[in-house]
Amino acid sequence: ENVLTQSPGTLSLSPGERATLSCRASQSVSNTYLAWYQQKPGQPPRLLIYGASSRATGIPDRFSGSGSGTDFTLTISRLEPEDFAVYFCQQYGSLPLTFGGGTKVEIK
Amino acid sequence: EVQLLESGGCLVQSGGSLRLSCAASGFAFSSCAMSWVRQAPGKGLEWVSAISGSGGSTYYADSVKGRFTISRDSSKNTLYLQMNSLRAEDTAVYYCAQVPAGARPGRFYFDSWGQGTLVTVSS
Repeated sequence: ENVLTQSPGTLSLSPGERATLSCRASQSVSNTYLAWYQQKPGQPPRLLIYGASSRATGIPDRFSGSGSGTDFTLTISRLEPEDFAVYFCQQYGSLPLTFGGGTKVEIK
Repeated sequence: EVQLLESGGCLVQSGGSLRLSCAASGFAFSSCAMSWVRQAPGKGLEWVSAISGSGGSTYYADSVKGRFTISRDSSKNTLYLQMNSLRAEDTAVYYCAQVPAGARPGRFYFDSWGQGTLVTVSS
């Protein structure tokens, strides 16, 4: 099983600041099959990024993904009030599909 | 607009059974693999099971293999999850999720999600 470790667990930032979230895999993720999701309280996850760097439909360009192999990053260039949420990474390069434990981005 | 509406979640005793349903609309149901993902209260996401668009291939997490069965009815545009031998650790919100059309077998990410249905297993 490809275990995903997200860091930090919590990120305390102010609106307008840059957020950098990390997702590290225990094994190389084949074909950069790595996705990122955003989840707000009481809501289902929302797809942000797939293929490590491709934005999903309707996702603002302040969200960007990068990385390959075992190290991946989600960057939010300038935090908007609606961006404070929990973010999960997911690998789909091998079964079982696995998710990281999440990073909470909170208002400082 | 894609809509996924889960139902069937409730309180059940340990060892019991439950069947979840997910009614899908707004897309070509038979063209897309579908999946169940769960989230225990206050916890992260856990992939449970997936099924190909044709229904001919199914996939399971080790934690549910042999106890849960995923299926689909294309005539009703509905996805199911039959859950048997339920345990306290199966307590979670269960989400139905759509896999993008054309995804490689077993290489699934999820571009639409339902609101979820809560399953509570009492011990």
